[in-house]
Amino acid sequence: GAGVSQSPSNKVTEKGKDVELRCDPISGHTALYWYRQSLGQGLEFLIYFQGNSAPDKSGLPSDRFSAERTGGSVSTLTIQRTQQEDSAVYLCASSFLASLHNEQFFGPGTRLTVL
Amino acid sequence: ILNVEQSPQSLHVQEGDSTNFTCSFPSSNFYALHWYRWETAKSPEALFVMTLNGDEKKKGRISATLNTKEGYSYLYIKGSQPEDSATYLCAQGTGGFKTIFGAGTRLFVKA
Repeated sequence: GAGVSQSPSNKVTEKGKDVELRCDPISGHTALYWYRQSLGQGLEFLIYFQGNSAPDKSGLPSDRFSAERTGGSVSTLTIQRTQQEDSAVYLCASSFLASLHNEQFFGPGTRLTVL
Repeated sequence: ILNVEQSPQSLHVQEGDSTNFTCSFPSSNFYALHWYRWETAKSPEALFVMTLNGDEKKKGRISATLNTKEGYSYLYIKGSQPEDSATYLCAQGTGGFKTIFGAGTRLFVKA
């Protein structure tokens, strides 16, 4: 594809419900990152995947958050039992390699609102 | 605990003004420093990545410098245009492939 795509673009849910956010990275990119931006805050690292290696989950804020990447391509971020503090813009990015020097290409984000 | 800080938080300038913002970061465990531009309703786009002390990068009217010893980077915009209005993010690459982002500087350029 031309760029990183994310779906849905907007999601409104009720407190306590589960949500799934999807990311389609750029074809051929082996590294995939999830971030979130809460109102007035910077981008908060959540998790990254590099090829078939075990993901770095150290940024996930609680065990209600999980992510998987199937076939080294599409990734899904799942938030269980959503809370109001989960409201944020969730951004996905991919890069050719998980290198600190490599440019990350970002998707348009999913705006999650938990009522 | 790593903390990337950006200042100012927001900036209002007139078209044609030159401006600059600051990104400060812990100088230890430094791998790379990235600048991104994030326009409203769009995705963040990479501007520069710098790795060496004294690096200077330029793209059109925008340039950046890096001082890894004292832990800061400056982003300069010469002759600001309304289309430069955006949030400018800096991010430090650290060990373990994490990228720590600052909160951004929001630039408003008035025609």
